[in-house]
Amino acid sequence: SAVISQKPSRDICQRGTSLTIQCQVDSQVTMMFWYRQQPGQSLTLIATANQGSEATYESGFVIDKFPISRPNLTFSTLTVSNMSPEDSSIYLCSVEDPLAGREQYFGPGTRLTVT
Amino acid sequence: AQSVTQLDSQVPVFEEAPVELRCNYSSSVSVYLFWYVQYPNQGLQLLLKYLSGSTLVESINGFEAEFNKSQTSFHLRKPSVHISDTAEYFCAVSEPGGSQGNLIFGKGTKLSVKP
Repeated sequence: SAVISQKPSRDICQRGTSLTIQCQVDSQVTMMFWYRQQPGQSLTLIATANQGSEATYESGFVIDKFPISRPNLTFSTLTVSNMSPEDSSIYLCSVEDPLAGREQYFGPGTRLTVT
Repeated sequence: AQSVTQLDSQVPVFEEAPVELRCNYSSSVSVYLFWYVQYPNQGLQLLLKYLSGSTLVESINGFEAEFNKSQTSFHLRKPSVHISDTAEYFCAVSEPGGSQGNLIFGKGTKLSVKP
């Protein structure tokens, strides 16, 4: 299994600002994933981040709003840009074990509140 | 498109009572099925998974889930719950041949165990 850490664990931000969330994995992985967990909702995949290529975004998510970096095989960042209260969510990163039937390992999440 | 339905958003039970958390999915193809648990202020952890073979799968802490293809269900059960089982439980599904990261989550069930 992989151990994943995220920074910050939580933050309170003002409308119109941006926040960058960091995700660190203790092993090299090809693909990393970013999810959003809105209050009372299920987890929704935002994008898939491959090292050395552009991230692939799911329907409803765009690069201008959620730019992602993947500089190496153990690290990724997700930026939430020009935030509004609707962006208040928990943001989680995860990695997949392709040898374990698509089992994913998740970070502890970043709880974001936008005022 | 795949979807996962967790019929109960909250399940309160008394300690040592049995519990069943329901999960139904919609898919016309073979699937992998997962239950994840999220303890308060922690990240998601895999509880158990069904990939193939025996339809009854067990976790190390006494939970079990049974894959029922005809009813497209993967209900989670425990014969006797503990206070420490208080958490939110998420059912998830993916397709073996689908794209990586394609893990579809239900909305979660909050299990509250009372003394």
